[in-house]
Amino acid sequence: GAGVSQTPSNKVTEKGKYVELRCDPISGHTALYWYRQSLGQGPEFLIYFQGTGAADDSGLPNDRFFAVRPEGSVSTLKIQRTERGDSAVYLCASSLNDRVTDTQYFGPGTRLTVL
Amino acid sequence: SQELEQSPQSLIVQEGKNLTINCTSSKTLYGLYWYKQKYGEGLIFLMMLQKGGEEKSHEKITAKLDEKKQQSSLHITASQPSHAGIYLCGADTVAYNAGNMLTFGGGTRLMVKP
Repeated sequence: GAGVSQTPSNKVTEKGKYVELRCDPISGHTALYWYRQSLGQGPEFLIYFQGTGAADDSGLPNDRFFAVRPEGSVSTLKIQRTERGDSAVYLCASSLNDRVTDTQYFGPGTRLTVL
Repeated sequence: SQELEQSPQSLIVQEGKNLTINCTSSKTLYGLYWYKQKYGEGLIFLMMLQKGGEEKSHEKITAKLDEKKQQSSLHITASQPSHAGIYLCGADTVAYNAGNMLTFGGGTRLMVKP
């Protein structure tokens, strides 16, 4: 389909390991967002890209989290030295970022479990 | 987020009944988005409201934004089992600036009994 895709759908890792989560946005969408959703809660903002640059990374919880979008399309969220508290569903969204409407369309998420 | 409160947190209704979910903000809502989420899946966009007093409908779902732009409601008429899921409101609380992050409420878990 033409929606936002995320891989892997599930990731199980051990405490202290490094993980990468990938997001492929809707074609033509210049804005890309990462959110994190813990069980029973709404999504929480992590970082927003406009093109290749991170326009707002104020939601990243600490310096173990980093994200890139080198060509302005696919983005990778990287988590170093994972901790059990990082377990959550990581959601990616993209939008056109035109100035009339800016509806964000979400991918299915990556469920990260840190043992 | 405490900025955006949803009520009720969960709801069980009999098929065919009407229901309303509320979303209240401590800040002005410059854009209010309603999404639906099923377990293990991403968020499905339902409707977006921007203007005070605005109302939109799609099939049996109606969303409204109050005149003061601090409260929104989602109303489902004649509920069906297919309406079951988690309903989330997401808000842009910064004066209009495309590309802002959304702040989400905690969600309302809806179950429809056949």
